[in-house]
Amino acid sequence: NAGVMQNPRHLVRRRGQEARLRCSPMKGHSHVYWYRQLPEEGLKFMVYLQKENIIDESGMPKERFSAEFPKEGPSILRIQQVVRGDSAAYFCASSPLRGRDNSPLHFGNGTRLTVT
Amino acid sequence: AQTVTQSQPEMSVQEAETVTLSCTYDTSESDYYLFWYKQPPSRQMILVIRQEAYKQQNATENRFSVNFQKAAKSFSLKISDSQLGDAAMYFCAYRGGETSGSRLTFGEGTQLTVNP
Repeated sequence: NAGVMQNPRHLVRRRGQEARLRCSPMKGHSHVYWYRQLPEEGLKFMVYLQKENIIDESGMPKERFSAEFPKEGPSILRIQQVVRGDSAAYFCASSPLRGRDNSPLHFGNGTRLTVT
Repeated sequence: AQTVTQSQPEMSVQEAETVTLSCTYDTSESDYYLFWYKQPPSRQMILVIRQEAYKQQNATENRFSVNFQKAAKSFSLKISDSQLGDAAMYFCAYRGGETSGSRLTFGEGTQLTVNP
């Protein structure tokens, strides 16, 4: 049973370009979470999605960032017009349930975004 | 809002010895879940141990155990018989009950070094 798959593993973008990060949850998981980890810091929640629905986007910057989890295909985190401050590791996690119990989140290996 | 504090940015331990990593949290909820995750240099987030707040018994997973003090809002991780492979960044994480959503709130992490 494959784990959470994120790609690419590393992504380099120049300032002003767009970054698209992909996440395929574990088989049978319908809940996806995106976290950002700045250098030397902990993970910060960004957004929580179910298939075709954004449940909680309270951690998402209001501009340039968007996320989707379509009925078919992976979840996408999109960053438009990237700036140097967007350089970070972006982690995706999935779970089978809404989180009303102790089901742990299963994390992918992250995408390291570098903005030059 | 919930906060998680790890007051030890770095810790070291001799191989085969025991080490305790501290974590405190702030919440007004009575029902919640606590987790310790390990992040080795590969960047993968690995679940180490979990604890439900309604359970008085401290969780144990092989060499890993917690000291959960609900009144003090403390959730420390004890690693016994430390091994070289335990060297990693350790994150304490909080997840609220049904009323506060599914996201994890992470501490800033403790970098653990294991000396041979």
